[in-house]
Amino acid sequence: GQQVMQIPQYQHVQEGEDFTTYCNSSTTLSNIQWYKQRPGGHPVFLIQLVKSGEVKKQKRLTFQFGEAKKNSSLHITATQTTDVGTYFCAGPGVNTDKLIFGTGTRLQVFP
Amino acid sequence: ETGVTQTPRHLVMGMTNKKSLKCEQHLGHNAMYWYKQSAKKPLELMFVYNFKEQTENNSVPSRFSPECPNSSHLFLHLHTLQPEDSALYLCASSQENLAGALVQFFGPGTRLTVL
Repeated sequence: GQQVMQIPQYQHVQEGEDFTTYCNSSTTLSNIQWYKQRPGGHPVFLIQLVKSGEVKKQKRLTFQFGEAKKNSSLHITATQTTDVGTYFCAGPGVNTDKLIFGTGTRLQVFP
Repeated sequence: ETGVTQTPRHLVMGMTNKKSLKCEQHLGHNAMYWYKQSAKKPLELMFVYNFKEQTENNSVPSRFSPECPNSSHLFLHLHTLQPEDSALYLCASSQENLAGALVQFFGPGTRLTVL
């Protein structure tokens, strides 16, 4: 079945270091979404990418959609303790109403 | 955020109990979802309702019974659960945007413990 995998599963960084999580889909995606879930919280929508090769920035966060629309990445520059949480990518299922969520990358930032 | 609310926030129940989880969305969306989030698994989609009609049942055991009386309310009825059903149950709503994407707006979740 359709799968969306993310690597790494966990990442521990020192505050100020950069962080990247990678998302890979087994199928071509019409769009990709990114969500952040703080510890004890619920997933919150961050951004959506639609075009092949698209790059979007939100302050220190840079999101990229691959040329083949099967992979994506989220890069955080100079991490802060407020960046702690689990980051999920998600893409639409094929011929369904559902969103397929990635396995998530848990980020821990040490001060 | 108060767009999607869930009650109760925490629930402890025995295996023979019957309880219900409630979700309400105030965003005017057409689709509502139940997800299960366990400690060691990614978000698992359970059910999808679109315009009150169930469009997806992701092979969920019959001890979980959803109900969607209208586009704003969603229930998950629980009976004879197992300890492995302990998890965070998240409700979400969505509506297709201009790009054709279904962005999910999640509620705070119900933390369920089955003893």
